[in-house]
Amino acid sequence: EAGVAQSPRYKIIEKRQSVAFWCNPISGHATLYWYQQILGQGPKLLIQFQNNGVVDDSQLPKDRFSAERLKGVDSTLKIQPAKLEDSAVYLCASSLEGEQYFGPGTRLTVT
Amino acid sequence: AQSVTQPDIHITVSEGASLELRCNYSYGATPYLFWYVQSPGQGLQLLLKYFSGDTLVQGIKGFEAEFKRSQSSFNLRKPSVHWSDAAEYFCAVGAIFGDQFYFGTGTSLTVIP
Repeated sequence: EAGVAQSPRYKIIEKRQSVAFWCNPISGHATLYWYQQILGQGPKLLIQFQNNGVVDDSQLPKDRFSAERLKGVDSTLKIQPAKLEDSAVYLCASSLEGEQYFGPGTRLTVT
Repeated sequence: AQSVTQPDIHITVSEGASLELRCNYSYGATPYLFWYVQSPGQGLQLLLKYFSGDTLVQGIKGFEAEFKRSQSSFNLRKPSVHWSDAAEYFCAVGAIFGDQFYFGTGTSLTVIP
């Protein structure tokens, strides 16, 4: 069974630029999550999808972050414009019956 | 409010010694508890989970954890640590059907020869 795929693995951008991350969940997993993990901290949920609908986006900074999950499969997370404090690892996870499977993450550095 | 506390930011143990990582949680409903491990540059890998039943659960890589409802704890243990166990360990609490996960801040484990 293939795992959760994410790309790119690393990204360096300047502040005020935009960036997009892509996630392909495990086939058949209806629930998809995006987390932000700042260095030295645990993952923090940004947004949760159930199929292509948003379940929880209460911690998503909506003035600069957006996410979509077209057709209930792949998902993209976008930041526009980026700030220095957005430097973090962005983790995508998918779940089936409560157990979450994580992708390798995208490490974003904003300079 | 839902939360997870991992009191130990960093732990150092000798190879072959026993290990216990602490986790305390606060959760309004029946908790489902998880331990994940994260090696440098890697995603999170599930070590073990507790949903119901026997409060002592076995996981991969020789790890086990014990759920103690009265203490709101879910501590992770391993009888003999290997150098390859050096990593960051995260405790998480959630619900089984699509609810949000809450992660602790992690415990960094260093293993010395």
